[in-house]
Amino acid sequence: LAKTTQPISMDSYEGQEVNITCSHNNIATNDYITWYQQFPSQGPRFIIQGYKTKVTNEVASLFIPADRKSSTLSLPRVSLSDTAVYYCLVKGPGGGNKLTFGTGTQLKVEL
Amino acid sequence: NAGVTQTPKFQVLKTGQSMTLQCAQDMNHNSMYWYRQDPGMGLRLIYYSASEGTTDKGEVPNGYNVSRLNKREFSLRLESAAPSQTSVYFCASSEDQGSSGRLYNEQFFGPGTRLTVL
Repeated sequence: LAKTTQPISMDSYEGQEVNITCSHNNIATNDYITWYQQFPSQGPRFIIQGYKTKVTNEVASLFIPADRKSSTLSLPRVSLSDTAVYYCLVKGPGGGNKLTFGTGTQLKVEL
Repeated sequence: NAGVTQTPKFQVLKTGQSMTLQCAQDMNHNSMYWYRQDPGMGLRLIYYSASEGTTDKGEVPNGYNVSRLNKREFSLRLESAAPSQTSVYFCASSEDQGSSGRLYNEQFFGPGTRLTVL
């Protein structure tokens, strides 16, 4: 499983755009990049997944450069309710569907 | 659909006591998982089950046993609880790898069981 590195914490204010970057230098050809969100006292929740370029859904955008050694989760116009821990995971189709969660990025949104 | 449900929500045990954490999913998923999360840490995989009747160890299996009772249910048992097992336990399920196209890593998590061992 590819190792990921992301900031331990980030602070932002309501209405701002937040970008969380994840480094995954040893990503394999078949690996996908997946982000999860975890609110306090809840289980993680899938946010978005991508392989290359850009993916957008109703919650976030995921930007992946051509070399795929990093990825950026972009949250537009955050609100207080976006305060959570965000996990970046990299895994492909081999080796079962076991996931390895790091410590994630604690995002704190203030007024 | 209820998704993934876990019981109990909270539990306090004394050292040496045993208990079983229950998990059920109604999404017809083949794969199910048990994780633990210690304060300020990410999730660590305890055991997982790729299908009914099969189980496999994860990163931290010592002190735990699991049973995949049927396709819906996956239980986690602590035979002799220790203070080091104080944690929040999450159950999750997912479709078979690749069966939903490119969503290889979409796991659905339950609300968790907060366990304290005194």
